[in-house]
Amino acid sequence: EDQVTQSPEALRLQEGESSSLNCSYTVSGLRGLFWYRQDPGKGPEFLFTLYSAGEEKEKERLKATLTKKESFLHITAPKPEDSATYLCAVQRWGGSEKLVFGKGTKLTVNP
Amino acid sequence: SQTIHQWPATLVQPVGSPLSLECTVEGTSNPNLYWYRQAAGRGLQLLFYSVGIGQISSEVPQNLSASRPQDRQFILSSKKLLLSDSGFYLCAWAYGGHNEQFFGPGTRLTVL
Repeated sequence: EDQVTQSPEALRLQEGESSSLNCSYTVSGLRGLFWYRQDPGKGPEFLFTLYSAGEEKEKERLKATLTKKESFLHITAPKPEDSATYLCAVQRWGGSEKLVFGKGTKLTVNP
Repeated sequence: SQTIHQWPATLVQPVGSPLSLECTVEGTSNPNLYWYRQAAGRGLQLLFYSVGIGQISSEVPQNLSASRPQDRQFILSSKKLLLSDSGFYLCAWAYGGHNEQFFGPGTRLTVL
């Protein structure tokens, strides 16, 4: 069974304090790994797709990386507006196109 | 650009009552459509997906059903709600053959 585990569950940072969120996954044949951002009471907002180990993608203060067992979301010099829950999901080949999600990491950035 | 709508935004229903949640997508044709549920303390769980009109696949056995009467319309229904149906229901769409799924604003359902 495909599984996604995100850590930590919650993370508090000071503005400008860089850190990383972890997403460990188990999937038979990775088709893609996805990162989303979710604000309270809203639907997830798509950030990145990673397809193969060694791949990296960047968007503003965020950079996502992928290995064969985990993905990291690096946040450089975060701002209070980066506060949100960050979700990781995997999709496997030959499945129903479903995304299997982790429970998320709730990030709070204090000014 | 593509836009996805869901309504209602919030809903409070008694146990045993029926349910109908609607999702529509604008700005694209023949999208894949998905219904997810996000329960407290749990990750998003896929309930149904559809690759075309009238084509529905169920991921999780439950008392919910889905229908796709039009290309860009996806409906989630129940004849009799249970307490365990409470949660945040999210509709998503994707280009056929592509991986990324884009989510709507969601419907918060509370069953009392």
